[in-house]
Amino acid sequence: DTAVSQTPKYLVTQMGNDKSIKCEQNLGHDTMYWYKQDSKKFLKIMFSYNNKELIINETVPNRFSPKSPDKAHLNLHINSLELGDSAVYFCASSQRDRGFEQYFGPGTRLTVT
Amino acid sequence: GENVEQHPSTLSVQEGDSAVIKCTYSDSASNYFPWYKQELGKRPQLIIDIRSNVGEKKDQRIAVTLNKTAKHFSLHITETQPEDSAVYFCAETGGGNKLTFGTGTQLKVEL
Repeated sequence: DTAVSQTPKYLVTQMGNDKSIKCEQNLGHDTMYWYKQDSKKFLKIMFSYNNKELIINETVPNRFSPKSPDKAHLNLHINSLELGDSAVYFCASSQRDRGFEQYFGPGTRLTVT
Repeated sequence: GENVEQHPSTLSVQEGDSAVIKCTYSDSASNYFPWYKQELGKRPQLIIDIRSNVGEKKDQRIAVTLNKTAKHFSLHITETQPEDSAVYFCAETGGGNKLTFGTGTQLKVEL
């Protein structure tokens, strides 16, 4: 049973395209996150949603737009992809009133050519 | 939290030796300090965490110490094994669910 799942696992696309990454968690958590991990392994928060409400929005280009249809899902849509968007994107989830433990998804490796 | 410094960036030890990774933070409000292990090509996984009301926590071969006055915390792995080889990340938060991660330490345990 996968607690936090992401699709697709790999995504190769050309500059200028628009793509989406999907995330689902079956842990019953109320908070979900998107992180970007670059080639140097730096893990940086991008967005966080609590019960479908955006609560963290870091300095991210507005080409990136998260969407949370319900508290078990958090998708990431990226417009006009650029070479610098190539990275591994991790989704994570946590339960706000049960401490700060975050559980990560398997990651989506995005390669922009 | 605003800034977390992690050292060393790479660490190579012989199997059976101990490994220590240190992190320093700047936000006085930080009160939760997790450590994540990320194996090659895998997701980060929580291995141990500590809250600001304790100074040390141990789980088998892994321990974490916290010095709130000096604003630093450390991960200690004893009797290292090859399967401990991975990238380790420290992190901290002041309670707003936003984790700030350190820059990672590549640990290599050599036979």
